[in-house]
Amino acid sequence: DTEVTQTPKHLVMGMTNKKSLKCEQHMGHRAMYWYKQKAKKPPELMFVYSYEKLSINESVPSRFSPECPNSSLLNLHLHALQPEDSALYLCASSPLRDREPTDTQYFGPGTRLTVL
Amino acid sequence: AQTVTQSQPEMSVQEAETVTLSCTYDTSESNYYLFWYKQPPSRQMILVIRQEAYKQQNATENRFSVNFQKAAKSFSLKISDSQLGDTAMYFCAFRETYGGATNKLIFGTGTLLAVQP
Repeated sequence: DTEVTQTPKHLVMGMTNKKSLKCEQHMGHRAMYWYKQKAKKPPELMFVYSYEKLSINESVPSRFSPECPNSSLLNLHLHALQPEDSALYLCASSPLRDREPTDTQYFGPGTRLTVL
Repeated sequence: AQTVTQSQPEMSVQEAETVTLSCTYDTSESNYYLFWYKQPPSRQMILVIRQEAYKQQNATENRFSVNFQKAAKSFSLKISDSQLGDTAMYFCAFRETYGGATNKLIFGTGTLLAVQP
């Protein structure tokens, strides 16, 4: 089973709202990722978690706050977003070997976020 | 820094025909992984095929195969017997082996493939 699930599928929020995106995998992967993708562009890496610890933050604004409560779950908390933050947010996971990520990342279906 | 280039923004192919998508990359590393991902209009990124640089043999997965030319730093994807369901954006991606804690994928800009009936 190579399934990564994401909820919700669609989210519309105002600039003053607080919302969260959720990602879940049950493949035993210990590395999880958040990507942002604009239309017809490649995904841009935002965050990487390894063994539930944040290992990479690609200079993402603080209005995006990731959280990894356990090895299967990854959240992205959103607050005071801007209209330019509207995008597809993709979650991915990959195995870890010797505490370094192995090669293949498996992606979820994404959450389409619209900020009004 | 590693870069990945897909020089064909859009391509079209007739159903049942064969099409080849191009990808070139630049790296000073000798060992790495290369991937093709497919993203249909449904938007899920699906792994199509992967290639380990130290393996000379070209990877194949059913109708999908690659032509990996390490010296030329070229990694093209061939789709045989194209089907309507192959309509998607195709991204070529590169990852260093043991890239530390990042496992950062470097994506190309994508090729939008349309399969015509």
